[in-house]
Order: sequence, then C-alpha cells, then structure tokens
Amino acid sequence: TQLLKQSPQFLSIQEGENLTVYCNSSSVFSSLQWYRQEPGEGPVLLVTVVTGGEVKKLKRLTFQFGDARKDSSLHITAAQPGDTGLYLCAGEMTAGNKLTFGGGTRVLVKP
Amino acid sequence: DTAVSQTPKYLVTQMGNDKSIKCEQNLGHDTMYWYKQDSKKFLKIMFSYNNKELIINETVPNRFSPKSPDKAHLNLHINSLELGDSAVYFCASSQLTGTETQYFGPGTRLLVL
Repeated sequence: TQLLKQSPQFLSIQEGENLTVYCNSSSVFSSLQWYRQEPGEGPVLLVTVVTGGEVKKLKRLTFQFGDARKDSSLHITAAQPGDTGLYLCAGEMTAGNKLTFGGGTRVLVKP
Repeated sequence: DTAVSQTPKYLVTQMGNDKSIKCEQNLGHDTMYWYKQDSKKFLKIMFSYNNKELIINETVPNRFSPKSPDKAHLNLHINSLELGDSAVYFCASSQLTGTETQYFGPGTRLLVL
C-alpha cells in the first residue's frame, strides 16, 4: 500500500493548456517535496513545502501544501513540451527521517 | 563536473551472479542513499548512510549489502541475483537527512536474465 497516492497516473495535454497533479495521503507529513524525472535521468528536486497551507511558485509551476499537511498539488500554467516528465511527490513523516515517494504522474505535453 | 555519479550505467547479468554498483558524490554531503525504481517507476528507499554509518535499512533481502568506505562513496553489492532484482537503482546524497535536497545520480539499469 502506497502511503502517498498520486493522481492522475498519466496526463497528456496540448501545449498551452493547464494541468494539476495531486498527491494525497491519510498520514501527516512534516514536509513534502516535488521532483521531476526525465527519461534516463535521476529525479531533480523542484520544491520543498513545510508549512500547512503553504503555496510556492516556481515560474509557471505552483505548489500547494494542504492545511492538514496530508496532501499537496502541483499546478502548471500554460504547459510547454519541456514540462514533459515524471512528477514525483515525496514526504517526510518525521523531521530528519526518510523520504517516502508517491507512485508518480507521467506528464506529456504535446507541441 | 558530475555531482553524483554511478557506475555502471547499464548492467545485464544472469541469475545467480554477484554484482556491484558504485556511487560517488563530490558535493561534500554527509548522507548517501540507495533507491530502487521498479518498472512502474515507483521509487523506494533501500539504505541510507550518514558519515559512513548505516542509518536506514529498509526491508531489503540480505543479498543486498551496502558499503561506505568513506562519506563520498556508497557501493551496493548484490549476491545471487534474481529476476525480480531487475530495476533502476539510484544513488542520492544530501547534506542532512530528509528535508534537505537530495541529489540523485543518473541511475544504474540492472537487467537480470
């Protein structure tokens, strides 16, 4: 059973469209991270959120941590082909503990 | 200048063989990790070392034995390889555990035939 469930598992959209990826759990996390992984490479950290209700923006990407620190979302505005990749959320239940990863969401942005 | 490097990048071997994967980081980090990513892209931690000491040891068969000769290196030795060991193995490092940014290597694609 996965502690962190991501949805959808796969998303295919046209360039210019918006998309949202969700990361949900029944457990509380002290922090949550989002990574993007491109084919043949390792995951690369995009953002870390630590405070319930926190919203962080990274250019066209908006990350939100739920008030109860059990869920998070990643919203991409005006997606571009360069946004194509596997998006992974990862949570830490206790500060200084291990990261638990979600199952990932594959995003394909078609030109 | 690669921050986290792994060798080999590809590894194809027969069932029952013993193989090793090497990892090196030049970031000066204290903590290193081994992750396994299966065919469905699920990434799961296997081991974590902090300054050469084992701090996380998940439920991993004892055929897998990590070794950290110094804090810049973390190797993974696998005995008696099985078909189910086929996966991509990622090494990562961070300054501290957990919340700190983890920097991942490019992965080692292991195929057991």
